[in-house]
Amino acid sequence: GDSVTQMEGPVTLSEEAFLTINCTYTATGYPSLFWYVQYPGEGLQLLLKATKADDKGSNKGFEATYRKETTSFHLEKGSVQVSDSAVYFCALSDGAAGNKLTFGGGTRVLVKP
Amino acid sequence: DTAVSQTPKYLVTQMGNDKSIKCEQNLGHDTMYWYKQDSKKFLKIMFSYNNKELIINETVPNRFSPKSPDKAHLNLHINSLELGDSAVYFCASSHRTERNTEAFFGQGTRLTVV
Repeated sequence: GDSVTQMEGPVTLSEEAFLTINCTYTATGYPSLFWYVQYPGEGLQLLLKATKADDKGSNKGFEATYRKETTSFHLEKGSVQVSDSAVYFCALSDGAAGNKLTFGGGTRVLVKP
Repeated sequence: DTAVSQTPKYLVTQMGNDKSIKCEQNLGHDTMYWYKQDSKKFLKIMFSYNNKELIINETVPNRFSPKSPDKAHLNLHINSLELGDSAVYFCASSHRTERNTEAFFGQGTRLTVV
């Protein structure tokens, strides 16, 4: 079955540091890939997505590139802010199963001033 | 103008009780979902409905019964609550007809069984 593996946290950074969260996946077919973010006490918000190989998703300074050859979708941001402190989830949807999302375990990021 | 809204936000109840969580979406989506987030933040699909028809039913105890009166609503009823049911339950919606479209999530319902 489908699965998503992402690096365990917590990841603690100083403001303006570079952030990378690794994500790899296993899926049949050609899934779409997503990064969702969950701020404290809130629901999940879509951060970015990519629907085919070599697509780059970007939003709010975050980027991730769909790498089919390495089955990866790593999240990066060049200069984090305190407001980026949250839990980040990598997810895939293969479209065949009612568009259900299969999530990674989440990575907690804490940015200190 | 909340896109996906679920009620209540918090629910504290005793073991053995029956409770319901309600969800409504105003995005015009045809598919709705229930996800469960455990204490370690792990998220897993429970159910999915498309136009009031159940299309995904993961390995969930029979005590959990979803109901979709129309495509804008998906409720979750839980019978005989157990301590292990304590979690955050998220409702979500999407367009099934658009392959691999993203899902929109509600704010979650934190269920605590004591």
